[in-house]
Amino acid sequence: GQQVMQIPQYQHVQEGEDFTTYCNSSTTLSNIQWYKQRPGGHPVFLIQLVKSGEVKKQKRLTFQFGEAKKNSSLHITATQTTDVGTYFCAVSGTYKYIFGTGTRLKVLA
Amino acid sequence: EAGVAQSPRYKIIEKRQSVAFWCNPISGHATLYWYQQILGQGPKLLIQFQNNGVVDDSQLPKDRFSAERLKGVDSTLKIQPAKLEDSAVYLCASSLTRTYSNQPQHFGDGTRLSIL
Repeated sequence: GQQVMQIPQYQHVQEGEDFTTYCNSSTTLSNIQWYKQRPGGHPVFLIQLVKSGEVKKQKRLTFQFGEAKKNSSLHITATQTTDVGTYFCAVSGTYKYIFGTGTRLKVLA
Repeated sequence: EAGVAQSPRYKIIEKRQSVAFWCNPISGHATLYWYQQILGQGPKLLIQFQNNGVVDDSQLPKDRFSAERLKGVDSTLKIQPAKLEDSAVYLCASSLTRTYSNQPQHFGDGTRLSIL
């Protein structure tokens, strides 16, 4: 079946440093969604990517879809303590989304 | 708009007991999802409804789990009998779809289930 891996599993950064998480699929994707889950909270939708090579920005967050549509990345510039949480990608399978393993981000002040 | 409502927030039961969770999606959202999230893992889809029909329940342990969405609005998920491995957060989500398309999923706060 379809597999979705995210790396790294954990990342600790100093406040102000950059952070990147990668999402890799075993199959070609039609689209990908990114979610953020704060500690003790529920996943919150961030963005959706559809086109090959697509790049979208939300303030300090940059999302990219690979040219082959088998991987994606989320980059945060100059992390802040409010960025703490787990970032999940969700890839579309047949009629459903499959969530990745997540990357847990800790930001040290 | 009001978000996805779930109850209860917490539930503690002993193994072999039964438990039920309730979810009310965002008004007008045709698609409703139930996910199981074990600590440290990503959400795993248990069942997906489109209105009151089941789209996918391939990962639902049907010998002990059941779910229904009789009127195409709110939904209940039941576990009977519960096992220790069912300890998890059960998340309900909804999205605005009438046919399968790319829509954001809106999650409720979840029910944290502990099995003793």
